[in-house]
Amino acid sequence: EIVLTQSPGTLSLSPGERATLSCRASQSINSIYLAWYQQKPGQTPRLLIFGASIRATGIPDRFSGSGSGTDFTLTISRLEPDDFAVYYCHQYDGSPYTFGQGTKLEIK
Amino acid sequence: QVHLVQSGAEMKKPGASVKVSCKTSGYTFTSYDITWVRQATGQGLEWMGWMKPNSGDTKYPQKLQGRVTMTRNTSIGTAYMELSSLTSEDTGVYYCARNIRGDIWGQGTLVTVSS
Repeated sequence: EIVLTQSPGTLSLSPGERATLSCRASQSINSIYLAWYQQKPGQTPRLLIFGASIRATGIPDRFSGSGSGTDFTLTISRLEPDDFAVYYCHQYDGSPYTFGQGTKLEIK
Repeated sequence: QVHLVQSGAEMKKPGASVKVSCKTSGYTFTSYDITWVRQATGQGLEWMGWMKPNSGDTKYPQKLQGRVTMTRNTSIGTAYMELSSLTSEDTGVYYCARNIRGDIWGQGTLVTVSS
């Protein structure tokens, strides 16, 4: 099973700042099969990025994804109040497909 | 507009089964896989498997093999996920999503397992 480890567990930042979230895989993943989701309390997950770097429909360009192999990054260039949420990475390369444990992005 | 609408909350006793439906609209049902994901209260996301609506092919994690069954009714654009031999550890919100990468999600179905 491919384990995804996200860091940090919690990230405290202010609106306008840049957020960098990390997702490290226990073995190499084809970047085509790496996605990022945002989930707010009481809401369903929302697809942000797939293929490691492709923004999903309607996702603002302040969200960007990068990485390959075992190291992947989600960057939010200028945080807006609506961006404070939990973020999950997800690999669907090797079965069982797995999610990271999440990074909580909170307002400082 | 694409929508996935799930069935309502369920309360089950240990050992029972639950069947959750996911009714799709706004796109061709057989053109996209359906993925199921669950989330225990306050916890992260867990992949439960996927189904190809055109063929009925499925893929499940070994952890759930023998307990989970994913089916569909193509005439009404609806996918189903049945989980048997429920325990308290199965309590949580169950989601269906379009596509293996989950581009559109259902609203979730709360399943509570309690004696």
